[in-house]
Amino acid sequence: EAQVTQNPRYLITVTGKKLTVTCSQNMNHEYMSWYRQDPGLGLRQIYYSMNVEVTDKGDVPEGYKVSRKEKRNFPLILESPSPNQTSLYFCASRKLNDISGNTIYFGEGSWLTVV
Amino acid sequence: AQKITQTQPGMFVQEKEAVTLDCTYDTSDQSYGLFWYKQPSSGEMIFLIYQGSYDEQNATEGRYSLNFQKARKSTNLVISASQLGDSAMYFCAMRDQNSGNTPLVFGKGTRLSVIA
Repeated sequence: EAQVTQNPRYLITVTGKKLTVTCSQNMNHEYMSWYRQDPGLGLRQIYYSMNVEVTDKGDVPEGYKVSRKEKRNFPLILESPSPNQTSLYFCASRKLNDISGNTIYFGEGSWLTVV
Repeated sequence: AQKITQTQPGMFVQEKEAVTLDCTYDTSDQSYGLFWYKQPSSGEMIFLIYQGSYDEQNATEGRYSLNFQKARKSTNLVISASQLGDSAMYFCAMRDQNSGNTPLVFGKGTRLSVIA
């Protein structure tokens, strides 16, 4: 089954304690991205990657890091989380040159609370 | 830059009635895709329907259909025969398709409540 898997799904952590949210896809997709969702703001892109070792900033990259060492994995790293990073996070993937455009896969979301 | 505008923060509809959720977009590209997603309270993003900019027919998927007006840059979602399970957040999104690295850009969403 084609899927994007995120872990953890739910996490409460403390300010400053480094954490990683993992994302893995089994569809051999080149393009992967991270979004955060906040009330009244919709989803905003944090980082994206077009292939292994190729990453770039989205609209709201401050406070986050990513890596793409393998095609299937795209972890989101919060080196020193702060309360304003409390949010619902989504990982998504698709084929890089998906001209038809409608095959974007989302993970189930990770609810992160920083206290 | 692409932009999606959803002007209705919340909507109510009676069960079995039809409802229209509004979405307008802005882009300078000629080739783009328009998406609608449903997000129930559990949080996952459920893909509903897609319209390509060059599609001449309005997209339909079961009870979901799009009223795509390209000249007005609008792509309103019509849900027919609303059900209680349709209560959720709905997001309109778009992606320019001229290159592979363009992101999916979302609107702020509309919360739909279906009343029995």
